[in-house]
Amino acid sequence: ETGVTQTPRHLVMGMTNKKSLKCEQHLGHNAMYWYKQSAKKPLELMFVYSLEERVENNSVPSRFSPECPNSSHLFLHLHTLQPEDSALYLCASSQTGLGDEQYFGPGTRLTVT
Amino acid sequence: RKEVEQDPGPFNVPEGATVAFNCTYSNSASQSFFWYRQDCRKEPKLLMSVYSSGNEDGRFTAQLNRASQYISLLIRDSKLSDSATYLCVVNRVGSGGFKTIFGAGTRLFVKA
Repeated sequence: ETGVTQTPRHLVMGMTNKKSLKCEQHLGHNAMYWYKQSAKKPLELMFVYSLEERVENNSVPSRFSPECPNSSHLFLHLHTLQPEDSALYLCASSQTGLGDEQYFGPGTRLTVT
Repeated sequence: RKEVEQDPGPFNVPEGATVAFNCTYSNSASQSFFWYRQDCRKEPKLLMSVYSSGNEDGRFTAQLNRASQYISLLIRDSKLSDSATYLCVVNRVGSGGFKTIFGAGTRLFVKA
């Protein structure tokens, strides 16, 4: 399936590195989301963008910085991460962002060393 | 107390069995509800939306009870391929828009 794509699929980075995760949706949706999934914990909503405006920031540390240049693309910029930030980062999109069905990308598995 | 709670399981059932999962939510302002399935090391995939009138899709039936604040998923005639984690999802209005809350998931193992 190519509805929502994410790159890279795997990333190992040191605590002093800066990297970016990329998400692209090909579904014509207007809302995009970043989630974090850690082992044995529920998915945690990080950010929501609707029509390229951030509408939800779920108390995420500033070392995570989202960017939504247009309705098809979403980035998550990472800097000075901690080992506990190691997780699966999932991007999703939905038509309206008003509590409708979300479609997920395959995720980026991030390891912070 | 978590806003969305699920029995983590695991549920171990034989092929052909009927199995039911419940999910409770604490915020009465919750507005939309879904079930997703997640296979090991994969992304969640939408299974079905949950409507007040209940809905059925083949072997799967979902129901919503607003008075008691829970949703349910019933799987009939279980298949080996149904083995997965089933995630309950609740949406409600947040600080600037809709907020999505996932349950921790219920593990299902279907055995031959």
